[in-house]
Amino acid sequence: AQTVTQSQPEMSVQEAETVTLSCTYDTSESDYYLFWYKQPPSRQMILVIRQEAYKQQNATENRFSVNFQKAAKSFSLKISDSQLGDAAMYFCAYRRRTGTASKLTFGTGTRLQVTL
Amino acid sequence: SAVISQKPSRDICQRGTSLTIQCQVDSQVTMMFWYRQQPGQSLTLIATANQGSEATYESGFVIDKFPISRPNLTFSTLTVSNMSPEDSSIYLCSASGRRTSTDTQYFGPGTRLTVL
Repeated sequence: AQTVTQSQPEMSVQEAETVTLSCTYDTSESDYYLFWYKQPPSRQMILVIRQEAYKQQNATENRFSVNFQKAAKSFSLKISDSQLGDAAMYFCAYRRRTGTASKLTFGTGTRLQVTL
Repeated sequence: SAVISQKPSRDICQRGTSLTIQCQVDSQVTMMFWYRQQPGQSLTLIATANQGSEATYESGFVIDKFPISRPNLTFSTLTVSNMSPEDSSIYLCSASGRRTSTDTQYFGPGTRLTVL
């Protein structure tokens, strides 16, 4: 079974600084997707970024980028120029590529605080 | 991406009663999913709902407790039956496929359920 581990329950970053959230996963599959979702206090799950395992290039979305290390099964999220609105729970998630019914497996989350 | 709405956004219920949560997507989707997020926890998949067929339940979740309907490609309901305080959670609907990417799940805003 696939597992996703987020070893940082809480992180803090100053506004305008950069922070990296860690995620590791375990799978025997070679083709899959990885995601970072953000859940602010409103509890809406918002997709931040996704990565296809078959792509070597790291995904980037504006201030958000990932460091995908397939051999190490590591998928960290870097947030640059942090803003107060980035404060939220961040969940790393894994999904097998094969089959549209393939479920998401979530990590336990990292709570990010952004300070002035 | 898909826009997903849920009703109700929150409810307080008495033990022994049932609550039906509605999930509406603004476009036709192949798959709809129901998740539970217990207080301070990550998301756990309850079941996957296909249009025109029985829902597929994850280990630990049964149809008698969480009956699901999927009458068409844009709508699903989850009923939490014979509720107990342990059912107090956030229930989230998500969707993927068809006009949304088949690779990515988009989430509704969640329903916060409190059982007294």
